[in-house]
Amino acid sequence: TQLLEQSPQFLSIQEGENLTVYCNSSSVFSSLQWYRQEPGEGPVLLVTVVTGGEVKKLKRLTFQFGDARKDSSLHITAAQPGDTGLYLCAGPEGNEKLTFGTGTRLTIIP
Amino acid sequence: KAGVTQTPRYLIKTRGQQVTLSCSPISGHRSVSWYQQTPGQGLQFLFEYFSETQRNKGNFPGRFSGRQFSNSRSEMNVSTLELGDSALYLCASSLLSGRGYEQFFGPGTRLTVL
Repeated sequence: TQLLEQSPQFLSIQEGENLTVYCNSSSVFSSLQWYRQEPGEGPVLLVTVVTGGEVKKLKRLTFQFGDARKDSSLHITAAQPGDTGLYLCAGPEGNEKLTFGTGTRLTIIP
Repeated sequence: KAGVTQTPRYLIKTRGQQVTLSCSPISGHRSVSWYQQTPGQGLQFLFEYFSETQRNKGNFPGRFSGRQFSNSRSEMNVSTLELGDSALYLCASSLLSGRGYEQFFGPGTRLTVL
């Protein structure tokens, strides 16, 4: 089983600050996905990165896939309270099976 | 287009009972996966069905089973419930896109075993 370690596990910052969340593995993934999950809801897909070195921007969120396709990062600029949630990275393991990371619980303080 | 729906949203059972959870995927999606989410273990893969066939299975005991119907709706069953089965059970339907399979999750069923 391929493992995805996320760091930090918990992060609490003030509104307006910047932050970066990391997702690391010793295994190569063909792609990585990032999800955000809010309390009482299922994870919502934010982005899929498939090419080593790929950078994707989604408004204030920037996602990067490592050159070796073993790691990924999520950078949020000028965090807002609406960014609060559990951020999960996930990678495919075989056909149609996703391995999820350990998660980063982000709290943005107004 | 309607999203993934799961019923019921909340369920309370006692040890030894059995439970059936239901999932309706997004229209046109033929793959349905089930996950268990707990604070200690995170999100763990249970199984995946495609066209009524189980294609993948996670590392869970045989008490956990599932099936998929011809309309792609899926059910999962847990027999002889244990306290440790208390969790959020998530269903996801998948679509093959140019960027691989992308999964869309339902809101989950919160199961509490007393």
